[in-house]
Amino acid sequence: QSVLTQPPSVSGAPGQRVTISCTGSSSNIGAGYDVHWYQQLPGTAPKLLIYGNTNRPSGVPDRFSGSKSGTSVSLAITGLQAGDEADYYCQSYDSSLTGYVFGTGTKVTVL
Amino acid sequence: EVQLVQSGAEVKKPGESLKISCKGSGYSFTSQWIVWVRQMPGKGLEWMGIIYPGDSDTRYSPSFEGQVTISVDKSISTAYLQWSSLKASDTGLYYCARQYCSGGTCYLFFDYWGQGTLVTVSS
Repeated sequence: QSVLTQPPSVSGAPGQRVTISCTGSSSNIGAGYDVHWYQQLPGTAPKLLIYGNTNRPSGVPDRFSGSKSGTSVSLAITGLQAGDEADYYCQSYDSSLTGYVFGTGTKVTVL
Repeated sequence: EVQLVQSGAEVKKPGESLKISCKGSGYSFTSQWIVWVRQMPGKGLEWMGIIYPGDSDTRYSPSFEGQVTISVDKSISTAYLQWSSLKASDTGLYYCARQYCSGGTCYLFFDYWGQGTLVTVSS
C-alpha cells in the first residue's frame, strides 16, 4: 500500500550526518501535500518527529530537520547518536487514494 | 496530558470476531479525528481508516474497506476497530493515533499514538 518510497536503510558513525529521502508522486507530495516524519524506536509506537515538512514538535532535538524542495523531501539527522537507531517513516496525504499514505520506512543504524 | 490507551494483546483463531479499543483522555475527544494504523510483523505502517468521534464520520483505506469496521462511543471517549471473521493475515500490531486539529482546522498528521495492540490469529 506504500506509495511513498524511502531507502531501506542508512547508516553512519556517531556524530555524522545522515539523510533519508522520501519520494512520492503527483497525487501526494507533487500535489503540494505536506510531508511528516515519524520515528519508531525498537518495540515502541511511532512518534511524531517532523510535521509540515520542516517543523519540530516541542521536545524534538534540533538535530532532526526536514526539508522539501519541489517534489524532493528529506529528513536529516546531524550529530548521530546511538539512541537514534530506529525506523523512520514519512507520511503524506494522497488525493487519488483519498487518504493517508506512509513511506516504506528506513532503518537507521549507528555504526 | 493527552493519552491514547489501547486494549491488550489478543490471540484468536481464524474465523473468530474481535473488537479492540482505544481510549482517549486529556483532550476534547469529540473534536479530533482518530486513525487506525496496521503494522504487520517486520513491516511498515499502513493507514486503515479514520473516524471523527463528534459525528462518527468514517473513512476507510481502499485496502481495508469491507475488511474491518471502525466505530466510536463518544460517551466513554473510546474508538474501536473490529473484525467479524479474522484471518491469519490479520496478524499484526494495530495502533490508534490522533489527527492534530487546532482552532477548527485539522492537519494531515498524527501527533499522539496509542501503545499498540498485538493481534495474533492462529489455528
